[in-house]
Amino acid sequence: DGGITQSPKYLFRKEGQNVTLSCEQNLNHDAMYWYRQDPGQGLRLIYYSQIVNDFQKGDIAEGYSVSREKKESFPLTVTSAQKNPTAFYLCASSIGGRAVMNTEAFFGQGTRLTVV
Amino acid sequence: AQSVTQLDSHVSVSEGTPVLLRCNYSSSYSPSLFWYVQHPNKGLQLLLKYTSAATLVKGINGFEAEFKKSETSFHLTKPSAHMSDAAEYFCVVTLSGGYQKVTFGTGTKLQVIP
Repeated sequence: DGGITQSPKYLFRKEGQNVTLSCEQNLNHDAMYWYRQDPGQGLRLIYYSQIVNDFQKGDIAEGYSVSREKKESFPLTVTSAQKNPTAFYLCASSIGGRAVMNTEAFFGQGTRLTVV
Repeated sequence: AQSVTQLDSHVSVSEGTPVLLRCNYSSSYSPSLFWYVQHPNKGLQLLLKYTSAATLVKGINGFEAEFKKSETSFHLTKPSAHMSDAAEYFCVVTLSGGYQKVTFGTGTKLQVIP
């Protein structure tokens, strides 16, 4: 089945440690996104990538890093520089590209990160 | 530039009564519009999407939305709320004409009272 997979579902991290969240899709989508979700704040865009080997900062990129070495994969690293990393993280993908209409984003099931 | 505004952060309805979740958008180009639903600790599921073919869009679970260009709105409705509809709903806009970028509203939490 085609879809987008995030792992792990729950993740605990000690303060000062970096941690990497996995996101894999087999939908052959060009575009991939990382969002952070906090109660009452909706989804905020961290990073997005429209094509392999290219990515752009979103609205809240500080303290995060990404890579896009393969079309299928868009891992997110939460670094120790992120001051308040405890949140629910959602990865999404869409067809992307130019002049593409009416294409929705597909979401993973999310990773809940807790800093202890 | 594009943006989307969900006018209510919380909506509370009684079971069996109509649901109205409001969404307004702005876009320099012809937008694509979507509604997603999120149940607690889950990913987002597509409810419906607007294509240029029809302004009244029907989605899953009895939801529908009407695209009104003159009002720049895309409100989500359901004739009769069910307890299982309690969730958070997101209005989303994307646009073409350049690289596609997805913009989310801040979400509306729907509470259904027995």
